[in-house]
Amino acid sequence: DADVTQTPRNRITKTGKRIMLECSQTKGHDRMYWYRQDPGLGLRLIYYSFDVKDINKGEISDGYSVSRQAQAKFSLSLESAIPNQTALYFCATSDPYNEQFFGPGTRLTVL
Amino acid sequence: AQSVSQHNHHVILSEAASLELGCNYSYGGTVNLFWYVQYPGQHLQLLLKYFSGDPLVKGIKGFEAEFIKSKFSFNLRKPSVQWSDTAEYFCAVTENNYGQNFVFGPGTRLSVLP
Repeated sequence: DADVTQTPRNRITKTGKRIMLECSQTKGHDRMYWYRQDPGLGLRLIYYSFDVKDINKGEISDGYSVSRQAQAKFSLSLESAIPNQTALYFCATSDPYNEQFFGPGTRLTVL
Repeated sequence: AQSVSQHNHHVILSEAASLELGCNYSYGGTVNLFWYVQYPGQHLQLLLKYFSGDPLVKGIKGFEAEFIKSKFSFNLRKPSVQWSDTAEYFCAVTENNYGQNFVFGPGTRLSVLP
């Protein structure tokens, strides 16, 4: 079984809709991250969390919010989706040595 | 702010050719360095990492990277590429041991022709 899972894997939605992307991990890591990947831009950090009570904004947090429901779960929400949020979204966890383990990604299309 | 640059956007090689992908970062302090690979349609996987010690790091699938502190570089190499190495390669850096400034480069797409 995968250590980091994301649901849904693909989602098409319309402008203005609220969307939640979910991430679960079985690695027992405290640290979790949300990134978006755009062609030619690599991965950019949206939010990160070092434990259930510690949530921090990343480089591009505007238009996004997160919830850390438990050590194993970290959700990303788009309160009102817009077309330029069309991207591939990755969740990751990290161990104390900073190596990051990635989920399979969620491809989100906002029409 | 920390930044990571990768020299090439797209590299095209024939099988058995040697590979070197450049990576430079901007932070002057202690860093942890990583190369990740993303095969088509898949998530990122760790190729290799450098935290300290021998600056020549060996990773999976015959890849290696050399950390040159004076040049702020961490270039990825492979002596003989295979078609299965076709993927996108990302260099990443953290500037300390806490992980919050985990910065990725824009990626280099490698196409290996059979």
